Amino acid sequence: EIVLTQSPATLSLSPGERATLSCRASQSVSTFLAWYQQKPGQAPRLLIYDASNRATGIPARFSGSGSGTDFTLTISSLEPEDFAVYYCHQRYNWPPITFGQGTRLEI
Amino acid sequence: HLQLQESGPGLVRPSETLSLTCSVSGDSISSSRYYWGWIRQPPGEGLEWIASIYHGGSTYYNPSLRSRVSISVDTSKRQFSLNLTSVTATDTAVYYCARHGAEPGAYHFDFWGQGALVTVST
Repeated sequence: EIVLTQSPATLSLSPGERATLSCRASQSVSTFLAWYQQKPGQAPRLLIYDASNRATGIPARFSGSGSGTDFTLTISSLEPEDFAVYYCHQRYNWPPITFGQGTRLEI
Repeated sequence: HLQLQESGPGLVRPSETLSLTCSVSGDSISSSRYYWGWIRQPPGEGLEWIASIYHGGSTYYNPSLRSRVSISVDTSKRQFSLNLTSVTATDTAVYYCARHGAEPGAYHFDFWGQGALVTVST
């Protein structure tokens, strides 16, 4: 099973600041890593797929990078609506499909 | 535009079977390009993949739940379903159905249902 470890667990920033979230895989997932945003009471929303491709309708301030075992989600300038929980996910080697434990981005 | 909608009982007694159905609209559930899956999220916790099914009926399960889970598809009704047996309070969660791609570059979950809260309690 591929374990995804996200850091930090909680990130406290202010609107306008830059956010950098990390996801590390226990073994290579090539570039087959995705990022999701989840707000309270809502289903997760796909942000980034294949490590660096923005999903449809996702603002350009969101970007992803990485390959192999180390990945980063960057939000260049935080908007108030960006404060949420972010999960990384892999389906490269499955079953099982695995998710990271999440990073809470808070003000 | 694809839409997924979970349905099923919101309360299940301990030791009984949790049954949920996901209704798919706006796209074919028979496409060879996609899997259809279930993910759950206990209150205040992270996401856990449960199972997925492919258009030909191939099934994939989380080893941690494999002995209690079954997933099935009814293409005529455009639905797929989840059964989880012998439930306990630890199975209390929001259950999501979602679609994920079969081809490299499309492995992600691109569409999700809104989620259904299932509580296991007497």
